[in-house]
Amino acid sequence: NAGVTQTPKFRILKIGQSMTLQCAQDMNHNYMYWYRQDPGMGLKLIYYSVGAGITDKGEVPNGYNVSRSTTEDFPLRLELAAPSQTSVYFCASSLLVLPDSTEQFFGPGTRLTVL
Amino acid sequence: TQLLEQSPQFLSIQEGENLTVYCNSSSVFSSLQWYRQEPGEGPVLLVTVVTGGEVKKLKRLTFQFGDARKDSSLHITAAQPGDTGLYLCAGKDTNAGKSTFGDGTTLTVKP
Repeated sequence: NAGVTQTPKFRILKIGQSMTLQCAQDMNHNYMYWYRQDPGMGLKLIYYSVGAGITDKGEVPNGYNVSRSTTEDFPLRLELAAPSQTSVYFCASSLLVLPDSTEQFFGPGTRLTVL
Repeated sequence: TQLLEQSPQFLSIQEGENLTVYCNSSSVFSSLQWYRQEPGEGPVLLVTVVTGGEVKKLKRLTFQFGDARKDSSLHITAAQPGDTGLYLCAGKDTNAGKSTFGDGTTLTVKP
């Protein structure tokens, strides 16, 4: 299994440009998540999904959109990039079966810079 | 919004020393996890604690969940340079599938 994969690894955007961060998992996990991590900080939840066709906002959803058309894929869309969106973005997935079976598996991250 | 506060934010120690990092909240969590993150990589799960008062040991690491399930601690005995990294705690909402992460403790162990 490849686990959680993310593309691209690095990207530089100009203010106002748009892009999609790709995330895929091959573990048949029902839950998927998008986080952003600013330097020296923890993870802030942007959006999450409990299954195909279902998405919900996290702590910091403004400026982002997501879709979940399949179990495997969970792309994150930035429509009008702003410098405040410069960050490292992590996608994660988990199989929520029991309260103690919530290990999140993380991708390697996408480092985004908006200039 | 549930908040998790981690302390200290930064910790630099010599190899062989012991240390404890803390994760505190005013909210109750159904479970709490500790992750370790190395530079340029995503976090990796170390442990999940579920029951109030629970203690779990992973080699030189000891994790404790508070009796009220609002706080947790991570104790490392005889720290090694390989323990260097960002340690994150994450509390799972009682009625939701999402977790809240603390801002982390950056640990540096000098040889």
